[in-house]
Amino acid sequence: SQTIHQWPATLVQPVGSPLSLECTVEGTSNPNLYWYRQAAGRGLQLLFYSVGIGQISSEVPQNLSASRPQDRQFILSSKKLLLSDSGFYLCAWRLVESTDTQYFGPGTRLTVL
Amino acid sequence: GNSVTQMEGPVTLSEEAFLTINCTYTATGYPSLFWYVQYPGEGLQLLLKATKADDKGSNKGFEATYRKETTSFHLEKGSVQVSDSAVYFCALSYNDYKLSFGAGTTVTVRA
Repeated sequence: SQTIHQWPATLVQPVGSPLSLECTVEGTSNPNLYWYRQAAGRGLQLLFYSVGIGQISSEVPQNLSASRPQDRQFILSSKKLLLSDSGFYLCAWRLVESTDTQYFGPGTRLTVL
Repeated sequence: GNSVTQMEGPVTLSEEAFLTINCTYTATGYPSLFWYVQYPGEGLQLLLKATKADDKGSNKGFEATYRKETTSFHLEKGSVQVSDSAVYFCALSYNDYKLSFGAGTTVTVRA
């Protein structure tokens, strides 16, 4: 069966510091991968998605970036965090061949101080 | 563009009460519709889905019917439990397979 991992689970970072969040999927090949952000009291916003290694599409202009160095690895990064980057970051995957359902990881709670 | 409008919360209920969360959508064509649930401190879990008009998705006592004539996908449960306390998200997916979410509805069930 497929599983999705995210780490770290929680993170507290100062403004201006760099960020790296990692997401890995097990038990499947060539998934579509997604990064979402959930700000406090708000819905989910799609940040990035990837259909393959090195292929990244950005949905919202911001100071974040994403990379997919391996088939089942998706990384969210920032060179300098802003206060507004605080939120709950969720990674999701979709099996391309069979379904339009996305499956979510446990999330990373990021607090920027 | 595609969008989802979801009933605002928070909703507070007593155990065994009937729950309805309204969800309407705007989309071209025939999107797939989803309900996701987020328990405190956790990620999202797929609760149920429907992929075409008049389909009924069901899981854990929850149901939702894809109504194209009213562009709705309301979530219902006949008798809620304390363990159903969570945030519920309505979402749609169209040909690009990107999910558009509603704002979420916080449900609290009291014993």
